Amino acid sequence: GQQVMQIPQYQHVQEGEDFTTYCNSSTTLSNIQWYKQRPGGHPVFLIQLVKSGEVKKQKRLTFQFGEAKKNSSLHITATQTTDVGTYFCAGKEYGQNFVFGPGTRLSVLP
Amino acid sequence: DGGITQSPKYLFRKEGQNVTLSCEQNLNHDAMYWYRQDPGQGLRLIYYSQIVNDFQKGDIAEGYSVSREKKESFPLTVTSAQKNPTAFYLCASSIISQGVISGANVLTFGAGSRLTVL
Repeated sequence: GQQVMQIPQYQHVQEGEDFTTYCNSSTTLSNIQWYKQRPGGHPVFLIQLVKSGEVKKQKRLTFQFGEAKKNSSLHITATQTTDVGTYFCAGKEYGQNFVFGPGTRLSVLP
Repeated sequence: DGGITQSPKYLFRKEGQNVTLSCEQNLNHDAMYWYRQDPGQGLRLIYYSQIVNDFQKGDIAEGYSVSREKKESFPLTVTSAQKNPTAFYLCASSIISQGVISGANVLTFGAGSRLTVL
């Protein structure tokens, strides 16, 4: 079945440094979503990517969907303490449910 | 305010007991989902429902049961057959679309229910 992997599993950065997490699917996706879960909280939707090679920006966050629609990345520029949390990607094949990756836990040291 | 309400937030259960987790939404979403989250792992789909009185098994349905008698409600029962039930359970809902419609297939999650088996 479909598998979704994320790297790294953990990332510790100094406030102001950049951060990137990568998501890879074993199969071609119709679309991919990103969610953020704060410590002790629940996942909150960030963005959905649909088109091959798509790039979307939300303030300091940049999301990319690979040309082959099998991988994606989330890049945060100049991290802040409010960025702390676990970032999940969720990939969807046509006609199937979303499959979540294991997440990347981000710690930001002030 | 529209959203998803899960209860209870924390629940303790003795081995051999069934327990039911409540999930209610007022977003008028057709689809509802139950996920299980374990430390260091992503969310795994237990059951989902796209219409009242119908539901499908997800990837880890064994030891769980659900019902969907009303559009707004999707309770999950963790039965004694579930071998390792201690986990964080998340309910979610979404608009259904096979096409690309803004907001479609976006999961809105409840605050979760943390179940501990003693």
